[in-house]
Amino acid sequence: GENVEQHPSTLSVQEGDSAVIKCTYSDSASNYFPWYKQELGKGPQLIIDIRSNVGEKKDQRIAVTLNKTAKHFSLHITETQPEDSAVYFCAASIRTGNQFYFGTGTSLTVIP
Amino acid sequence: DTEVTQTPKHLVMGMTNKKSLKCEQHMGHRAMYWYKQKAKKPPELMFVYSYEKLSINESVPSRFSPECPNSSLLNLHLHALQPEDSALYLCASSQGWQGIGNTIYFGEGSWLTVV
Repeated sequence: GENVEQHPSTLSVQEGDSAVIKCTYSDSASNYFPWYKQELGKGPQLIIDIRSNVGEKKDQRIAVTLNKTAKHFSLHITETQPEDSAVYFCAASIRTGNQFYFGTGTSLTVIP
Repeated sequence: DTEVTQTPKHLVMGMTNKKSLKCEQHMGHRAMYWYKQKAKKPPELMFVYSYEKLSINESVPSRFSPECPNSSLLNLHLHALQPEDSALYLCASSQGWQGIGNTIYFGEGSWLTVV
């Protein structure tokens, strides 16, 4: 089955700096890669996603890049703000079904 | 804001109690899910319903019993739980199950404590 690894497990940045979270996957059949943000006491919220036919996608301060050859994808947050502090999960979905394989999560802290 | 609504937000139950978690979505999605999440861990899939039929049961103990009364509602019936079942239970939905990259939308979760 698919195996998704996520790094780092914790990340602290100064407000205004950029944050990068990286994930690798093992199954070349995976073709959909969402990112979820989970604030304390809440459910995961989809913040951005990318499909395998696209190399990069951007939504305001958030961007995701995908390298299919290397089987890795990354979340980039620019101009970080304290409200970006949360746990971020990457996930991969295989072609033939909708089973989501989650990474282990990254706890991001933005220091004011 | 999430369009998947879960009740109750918090539940404390004894090991001999019977309780239910409820979930509702009005996005017209035909697949609904139950996930279990422990602290500092990713969500773990428990059940998947597609078109109101159980499609996936990830070897969940029978003390957890899912029910899908209609395409908008999903319940999780709880009976004779153990303290280690204490966790955040997340409901989710997507447009379909057997499809490429159907986005999954989560509810806010129900915090369950078993005493």
